[in-house]
Amino acid sequence: ETGVTQTPRHLVMGMTNKKSLKCEQHLGHNAMYWYKQSAKKPLELMFVYNFKEQTENNSVPSRFSPECPNSSHLFLHLHTLQPEDSALYLCASSQETIRGAEAFFGQGTRLTVV
Amino acid sequence: GESVGLHLPTLSVQEGDNSIINCAYSNSASDYFIWYKQESGKGPQFIIDIRSNMDKRQGQRVTVLLNKTVKHLSLQIAATQPGDSAVYFCAEKQGGGFKTIFGAGTRLFVKA
Repeated sequence: ETGVTQTPRHLVMGMTNKKSLKCEQHLGHNAMYWYKQSAKKPLELMFVYNFKEQTENNSVPSRFSPECPNSSHLFLHLHTLQPEDSALYLCASSQETIRGAEAFFGQGTRLTVV
Repeated sequence: GESVGLHLPTLSVQEGDNSIINCAYSNSASDYFIWYKQESGKGPQFIIDIRSNMDKRQGQRVTVLLNKTVKHLSLQIAATQPGDSAVYFCAEKQGGGFKTIFGAGTRLFVKA
């Protein structure tokens, strides 16, 4: 148990569906992240939130919409996805300082777009 | 551009042997480096880190070496066990920043 919980663990959705991924961290960290992990690519950073404010959007298509209502919760809203969006979506948190800090990852949501 | 890459995509070792996983990075401004382990069905898990003012750091059965001259990072696992079988990622970041760059990963197989 890393202190970062993601739900659901598995999700199958059609291209016209709307769904949301949820992440919650119980570590009191100030930063939260969404990463995408697919079979042939390294971990790709999608979004970063620092104290609820978005600080990074790595050119992610608008069909992915993040939401961070407070520093413990992070959502990823999905809308009209494509089959190539099928991947493992990982949430992470860290307590960032000027010196840098490691991230704590959730177990991920395995997303399949059909 | 910035990149972190691994020299070997797979590594197979005998149980009890030592393992060495290598990583190259290209961003000279990176000053914080992390190794993660990812087991099947789980998210990456922190193993050990090192800052740029050090060239070696030891943990329990693991050692990370940093060579800034050639921008090289390695993870050494002593007395490798079956439970060490996983994908290992190196990662780099600049202190004070939020962007972590991950390498492609190396899959470690431990033969009993």
